[in-house]
Amino acid sequence: DTGVSQDPRHKITKRGQNVTFRCDPISEHNRLYWYRQTLGQGPEFLTYFQNEAQLEKSRLLSDRFSAERPKGSFSTLEIQRTEQGDSAMYLCASSLALELFFGEGSRLTVL
Amino acid sequence: GEDVEQSLFLSVREGDSSVINCTYTDSSSTYLYWYKQEPGAGLQLLTYIFSNMDMKQDQRLTVLLNKKDKHLSLRIADTQTGDSAIYFCAERANDYKLSFGAGTTVTVRA
Repeated sequence: DTGVSQDPRHKITKRGQNVTFRCDPISEHNRLYWYRQTLGQGPEFLTYFQNEAQLEKSRLLSDRFSAERPKGSFSTLEIQRTEQGDSAMYLCASSLALELFFGEGSRLTVL
Repeated sequence: GEDVEQSLFLSVREGDSSVINCTYTDSSSTYLYWYKQEPGAGLQLLTYIFSNMDMKQDQRLTVLLNKKDKHLSLRIADTQTGDSAIYFCAERANDYKLSFGAGTTVTVRA
């Protein structure tokens, strides 16, 4: 099965540390999305790539957050100087057209 | 703007039908989606409907759309214990982005 793959699945870090998440989309999917989900809420849009171009960033994505998709394939989401409020599930999704397929998510806990 | 609302909880007896409701506010929404999320997992796409349709059926799932009232529902026939999960409604208002509701937690009791 070559679904959307995310790594790591779980990350526990101390406040102030940097963390990076990786997403491998479904092969040949040109669109890639990052969402954030907190307990009891639906996913909130963070950013979107079409191929290697980052076309939209939510205002939720402060300057401590950066996302890249250097070759239009995998993507990374880095959070610098983590805060406790960054604790959430970070979801990656990819699509070719109408259907967005999500990965299993990367759960971040900031102590 | 984008605002999707769902009731938070639904309890249903095994074998009965479940109906999960959703309202949205963006009249320019082109497609509406239903996703399922089991504990600790990502979102699984169940089905989606184009905004100029009023019904779509896929095995045990039936989606009804009332575009005038901006109301979407998902009916699950013959609900099973494996259907216990959180169900998210989402609208697609532009070319690529989905906006999600807060989810409806469905509990199936024996």
